[in-house]
Amino acid sequence: AQKVTQAQTEISVVEKEDVTLDCVYETRDTTYYLFWYKQPPSGELVFLIRRNSFDEQNEISGRYSWNFQKSTSSFNFTITASQVVDSAVYFCALGPEYNFNKFYFGSGTKLNVKP
Amino acid sequence: DSGVTQTPKHLITATGQRVTLRCSPRSGDLSVYWYQQSLDQGLQFLIQYYNGEERAKGNILERFSAQQFPDLHSELNLSSLELGDSALYFCASSDQALRGETQYFGPGTRLLVL
Repeated sequence: AQKVTQAQTEISVVEKEDVTLDCVYETRDTTYYLFWYKQPPSGELVFLIRRNSFDEQNEISGRYSWNFQKSTSSFNFTITASQVVDSAVYFCALGPEYNFNKFYFGSGTKLNVKP
Repeated sequence: DSGVTQTPKHLITATGQRVTLRCSPRSGDLSVYWYQQSLDQGLQFLIQYYNGEERAKGNILERFSAQQFPDLHSELNLSSLELGDSALYFCASSDQALRGETQYFGPGTRLLVL
């Protein structure tokens, strides 16, 4: 069965702190893709990153970084030097390589960054 | 801006009524997906269309239906509305020609059933 677990329901940090959002997934597929989306208070879902299961290199984009570890089925997301504008709900998602039929979202982690 | 548009942004209606939500995908995207986001159920996949044909169904109620037109825009029809149908409805699109397709989401339609 396909499943995405985001165990952290809500996290509160103070601005400039680093924060890591956890994502653990389950799949029987050998090839799959993992995603992170951001949902700010305005409500839209914003695509952040896509990573395929063959590429375990960490990725960094500005203050954002992602750590993919296939051995532990985790795809964690770290925000360095958090800012108030990072306050949002972050969703991790799992998708197949081909013949998409379902896209599995985690339940989301709400990040509150306080000034 | 994802390039996916949805109308209307907000919709208030009464129980028992029928509404239609509209989605225009990004230019060139053939796949359209509909999702429902409610407080108690989280983000749920409803249905997918690819180039006019239904491709996959998720947790979509029988009171709900969708279609994708030749110009690739899609409509989600919700009928016999109940209070529990109040939610944020998202449309997403992707170019399914690519491996590991990325879905780009529209701004959503917020439906309130009174």
